Amino acid sequence: IVLTQSPGTLSLSPGEGATLSCRASQSVSSTYLAWYQQKPGQAPRLLIYGASSRAAGIPDRFSGSGSGTDFTLTISRLEPEDFAVYYCQRYDGSSLFTFGPGTKVDIK
Amino acid sequence: EAQLVESGGGLVQPGGSLRLSCVVSGFTVSNNYMSWVRQAPGKGLEWVSVIYSAQSGRSTDYADSVKGRFTISRDNPRNTVYLQMNSLRVEDTAVYYCANIGSRGMDFDFWGQGTVVTVSS
Repeated sequence: IVLTQSPGTLSLSPGEGATLSCRASQSVSSTYLAWYQQKPGQAPRLLIYGASSRAAGIPDRFSGSGSGTDFTLTISRLEPEDFAVYYCQRYDGSSLFTFGPGTKVDIK
Repeated sequence: EAQLVESGGGLVQPGGSLRLSCVVSGFTVSNNYMSWVRQAPGKGLEWVSVIYSAQSGRSTDYADSVKGRFTISRDNPRNTVYLQMNSLRVEDTAVYYCANIGSRGMDFDFWGQGTVVTVSS
């Protein structure tokens, strides 16, 4: 299963909303779809697991949705600390763990 | 609070070996699925290997790109996970992260800070 993320780069201003897409080449169980945030020089941080559940300590401006082959990460109002790269990731029993190529959210 | 601390990275020639360590505090590695994920310079994340919990009945798994060359293991008394990397290639150059796999959705919920491996002559 291949994960495709779009757009590759999203240029936005603080306060704007962001919609990031993750598309799978085959259907993915929602239970096994996660989103991560990574800032330069830092390890990734889990944001969303199970397609729509926020990880501990994640602000409610982050939300996940979707099912089947199409999943979305939404950031309702961008804060300065939200400018980063975002990855989706899925698990299945055969090919195990796969990450998408990432979407960079940068400041317009 | 969970903490994962990697070490063991460095510069190695192609064909050489390195052993990475991930010392864990805050939970017991034998009860959890533990993994290594890497990130080549300027690139995205790539899963490398997983070691399953002692009670899972499963052992280990590897990405095709490292199968036969890398070995993941754990030392229960030291609460440490290792990645033995042999026959290293230039394309193995990356930051290597140790991560815990969450039981809810097979996601990576706790990460170390990473250790840098550079394979170059």
